[in-house]
Amino acid sequence: RKEVEQDPGPFNVPEGATVAFNCTYSNSASQSFFWYRQDCRKEPKLLMSVYSSGNEDGRFTAQLNRASQYISLLIRDSKLSDSATYLCVVKVGGNKLVFGAGTILRVKS
Amino acid sequence: DVKVTQSSRYLVKRTGEKVFLECVQDMDHENMFWYRQDPGLGLRLIYFSYDVKMKEKGDIPEGYSVSREKKERFSLILESASTNQTSMYLCASSSTGAGNTIYFGEGSWLTVV
Repeated sequence: RKEVEQDPGPFNVPEGATVAFNCTYSNSASQSFFWYRQDCRKEPKLLMSVYSSGNEDGRFTAQLNRASQYISLLIRDSKLSDSATYLCVVKVGGNKLVFGAGTILRVKS
Repeated sequence: DVKVTQSSRYLVKRTGEKVFLECVQDMDHENMFWYRQDPGLGLRLIYFSYDVKMKEKGDIPEGYSVSREKKERFSLILESASTNQTSMYLCASSSTGAGNTIYFGEGSWLTVV
């Protein structure tokens, strides 16, 4: 079993739609959680950290469920510019980060 | 802005050649990392370093070595390149701490023929 698992997609949604991604992790001792965004042939960039109480940044909402060991990302009112690959990232100890393989989102007009 | 610079963006090398990938960060970060990214596999950690002259193996260190002689510079070395090392290589850095962000360079696309 992979340490961090994501549905690879692609998720094809129309502009304005709400879309949600889940990510599961296997190490119950995981400490920190993040969502990164990666555009085609570019480097990953931090989208948002995920806090225990859940957090929101504009149209993006992240949730953490430690009991079930998953995190989620909700995107409301999708824009064409949201099209990218979304990487779930888990810090498992020390400074080691484990990346999911990513979920592809395609927003279409 | 944090800057992680990978000097070589696109390289084509022959099987058996020695390959150096250089990475420099300008934020005085303690930690530096080398990942490779392949379709469907995500980012896999090759090596990381948490201090000058210190290095630790990641998940896939075979066929690679690293060097960190200065805090700002972390080099990845392929001693004898092979075709299965064709990939995108990403360097990253972060400061020490539980929630500190990791910053990536733009990536080096290596093709071994």
